[in-house]
Amino acid sequence: NAGVMQNPRHLVRRRGQEARLRCSPMKGHSHVYWYRQLPEEGLKFMVYLQKENIIDESGMPKERFSAEFPKEGPSILRIQQVVRGDSAAYFCASSRMGGQGNTIYFGEGSWLTVV
Amino acid sequence: AQKVTQAQTEISVVEKEDVTLDCVYETRDTTYYLFWYKQPPSGELVFLIRRNSFDEQNEISGRYSWNFQKSTSSFNFTITASQVVDSAVYFCALLNFGNEKLTFGTGTRLTIIP
Repeated sequence: NAGVMQNPRHLVRRRGQEARLRCSPMKGHSHVYWYRQLPEEGLKFMVYLQKENIIDESGMPKERFSAEFPKEGPSILRIQQVVRGDSAAYFCASSRMGGQGNTIYFGEGSWLTVV
Repeated sequence: AQKVTQAQTEISVVEKEDVTLDCVYETRDTTYYLFWYKQPPSGELVFLIRRNSFDEQNEISGRYSWNFQKSTSSFNFTITASQVVDSAVYFCALLNFGNEKLTFGTGTRLTIIP
C-alpha cells in the first residue's frame, strides 16, 4: 500500500441513511479518484478530482452520489439515501500530477454494506 | 473505446510453479499506460507496475516479470517460483492518453496451493 488512507474500512448503513467515505491522498498528491467495485464486477471509475474541483464525474450515478475534495481535509464520497445496490467496495486513489506518466496508487478500500 | 480482457478468471497452481497471467487490451490511442494491481484477500489494491506504450522493454522485479507486446496488444505478467503469498486477484488496467479513467479488466483469481 502506498499511503492512500481511507476510512472507515467497513461501514454498515440501513436503507435510506447516508454514507460518507473519506480519503486522504498520499503526501504530495493533489489528484484523487474514486472507483467502485461491485460484487462479481470489476473496478469502475466514478470521479476524478483535484483540490476544490471536480474534473470528471462521468462515472458517478446521477442521483444520490456526490464527491468533493476541499482545499483542506480529505476527499469525501457521499452517498445519500443508500439502497442495497450501493453495497460495494469503494476505492480511493491518488497521483502526484494525474495519471499521464504518473503512478496511480490506491487505498485499502471502504466496504459499504447496506442492510 | 478502450477495453481490457483478462480471459483467465481463475488459475490454481502448486507452490513453486511458474504462472502467467494474460492481459489483452484494446485502444485507438498510440500513447497509453498499462498497469497491474494485486488485490490480496485482505482487500487492498496494491500497485505492481506501470508501463508506457512507447517503452516495450520487458521488466523483471524479483520473481515478477512483465512481457509487453504492442504487436499483439498484450501485457502479460509472470510469477516464477510462486508462493502462497502470491494468492490474490490480479487486475490489469489501461489509461489512455489525455484521460484520467483507468479501465480495468475483470481480474484473474490466482490460488497457490501449498
